[in-house]
Amino acid sequence: DSGVTQTPKHLITATGQRVTLRCSPRSGDLSVYWYQQSLDQGLQFLIQYYNGEERAKGNILERFSAQQFPDLHSELNLSSLELGDSALYFCASSGKKGGGPPKETQYFGPGTRLLVL
Amino acid sequence: QKEVEQDPGPLSVPEGAIVSLNCTYSNSAFQYFMWYRQYSRKGPELLMYTYSSGNKEDGRFTAQVDKSSKYISLFIRDSQPSDSATYLCAMIRSNDYKLSFGAGTTVTVRA
Repeated sequence: DSGVTQTPKHLITATGQRVTLRCSPRSGDLSVYWYQQSLDQGLQFLIQYYNGEERAKGNILERFSAQQFPDLHSELNLSSLELGDSALYFCASSGKKGGGPPKETQYFGPGTRLLVL
Repeated sequence: QKEVEQDPGPLSVPEGAIVSLNCTYSNSAFQYFMWYRQYSRKGPELLMYTYSSGNKEDGRFTAQVDKSSKYISLFIRDSQPSDSATYLCAMIRSNDYKLSFGAGTTVTVRA
């Protein structure tokens, strides 16, 4: 167990709809990252937040947005959903240094599986 | 050209074989190297990490780094069906601490 939690585990919705994915980072981690992984594809970095502020942006569509709240949990909002948005969405966190791997090492949650019909 | 290139695979090996996975990188600023394992439809999990050139062993797994050639490898000895997964290399740059992933190599170990 990485300590990163994501809800919901599964989401089925229709085209044109809007959904919100939620992530709670490991205790003590300040950074949250969002990734998209389509079937048999690699991880596509979407966006990073650090202590409530956007830190880096990847291949995130304009229909997608994210935020990180004062308690450090994060939400990824996906709107005007299309069939091609069906994918696994992973959240990862980093930032706590406690020996071992560097603090920039990312720890992943179990993912949210989104199916757009 | 991507900063991190990973052999695409897929690899299929018989149980007990040695699995060899490789990544190359172009930016000498990469100083920290990791391997993640991702089982199907699950989140990637950190498998091994290393800072320096040379070998690091952890049970049946050996991570190898050659900074002069900008090349890293992961070896799995006595492979088991439970090792069937996608393996991703990852690297962190020392100047801006950005982490970059390879595309992943899918390994199937046949019983």
